[in-house]
Amino acid sequence: DAEITQSPRHKITETGRQVTLACHQTWNHNNMFWYRQDLGHGLRLIHYSYGVHDTNKGEVSDGYSVSRSNTEDLPLTLESAASSQTSVYFCASSETRTENTEAFFGQGTRLTVV
Amino acid sequence: DQQVKQNSPSLSVQEGRISILNCDYTNSMFDYFLWYKKYPAEGPTFLISISSIKDKNEDGRFTVFLNKSAKHLSLHIVPSQPGDSAVYFCAASAGNAGNMLTFGGGTRLMVKP
Repeated sequence: DAEITQSPRHKITETGRQVTLACHQTWNHNNMFWYRQDLGHGLRLIHYSYGVHDTNKGEVSDGYSVSRSNTEDLPLTLESAASSQTSVYFCASSETRTENTEAFFGQGTRLTVV
Repeated sequence: DQQVKQNSPSLSVQEGRISILNCDYTNSMFDYFLWYKKYPAEGPTFLISISSIKDKNEDGRFTVFLNKSAKHLSLHIVPSQPGDSAVYFCAASAGNAGNMLTFGGGTRLMVKP
């Protein structure tokens, strides 16, 4: 069965360290997204990609970067981790359709910056 | 400025009764709306969607209503079951159903047995 997986599921890192969160999907979807979930804010878009070599900034992109070298993967990098980046991160993917489609989400990565 | 708002952070309903979750949006470019359900320590899972050309979509116990003039949508769950207890997120996209989603803050639904 096709799926979307995130790794690691939990990570603790120190302030200032570079951290990369992995996202891998086997749906063969063109579109991939990174969101963060914080209390009172729902899910906020960090970065997204509509195809290989395409990347775009979302609402809360400062301090984060992504790259899309193939269809399956969209790793999220925190260049220099800050305590404000402690959050739960969700990766998602979707196909390009006018309707009757949905984004499929991974299980999430809980990141703690100490 | 939040483009998608869920003004009720929580809702408590008795089992068997109707649950109504509400969502308002401000961006007129949104033309596709979705509801997601989320359990603790899991990713959001898709529940139901509606295109802006429709005003109602039904799937079993779940019905979504869209009022474009009021920029308002609602999710009805009938009858509510204890397993429906979760956080529900409203989301919207513009231009293409697979495009990036803008989410509301979520509503925690508790269905009491």
